[in-house]
Amino acid sequence: SQKIEQNSEALNIQEGKTATLTCNYTNYSPAYLQWYRQDPGRGPVFLLLIRENEKEKRKERLKVTFDTTLKQSLFHITASQPADSATYLCALNTGGFKTIFGAGTRLFVKA
Amino acid sequence: DAGVIQSPRHEVTEMGQEVTLRCKPISGHDYLFWYRQTMMRGLELLIYFNNNVPIDDSGMPEDRFSAKMPNASFSTLKIQPSEPRDSAVYFCASSHRDTGTDTQYFGPGTRLTVL
Repeated sequence: SQKIEQNSEALNIQEGKTATLTCNYTNYSPAYLQWYRQDPGRGPVFLLLIRENEKEKRKERLKVTFDTTLKQSLFHITASQPADSATYLCALNTGGFKTIFGAGTRLFVKA
Repeated sequence: DAGVIQSPRHEVTEMGQEVTLRCKPISGHDYLFWYRQTMMRGLELLIYFNNNVPIDDSGMPEDRFSAKMPNASFSTLKIQPSEPRDSAVYFCASSHRDTGTDTQYFGPGTRLTVL
């Protein structure tokens, strides 16, 4: 069955450093992959989408890479800030408009 | 736009009672999704609609769950009878197929507690 794995442990980094989150998947070839941010008590918010024919996508301090051979996506936040502290979810399109989400990685950025 | 609206925000009920969760998608969006989120299972897709028609309900856990979308601006998720294991946060999300992707806009969720 389709499976998405994200770092199960929380990631703690110092303000100003680059945070790197990993999303690995198996048994599927998604046409695109998305990253969402979720704050406590709120719904996920879309951040970035990367298609299977794109290697890298950037948006301000965010960067996403997509390696379809390794079946892996990396999500980077450069010059991280305490306000970046949240849970980040990886989401795969599995056909049509159906999406499955990873369990998420909690990021803590310390001042 | 007000975004996706869900009600109630919190619901506490007793086992065996009927629970109805409500959702108003973003105007103009033609897809609507219902998800359930728990610590153990993460965010799970329950069902999604396109133009008010259910497309995939394979995630609905059992017959106690049902969802309807009588028009483009309203959907309900009903649990009857409710059980303690149904306790979770239920999210509604909507999207629009203008780019061929399903970027979804989530509501604030309904936190359901079944005692």
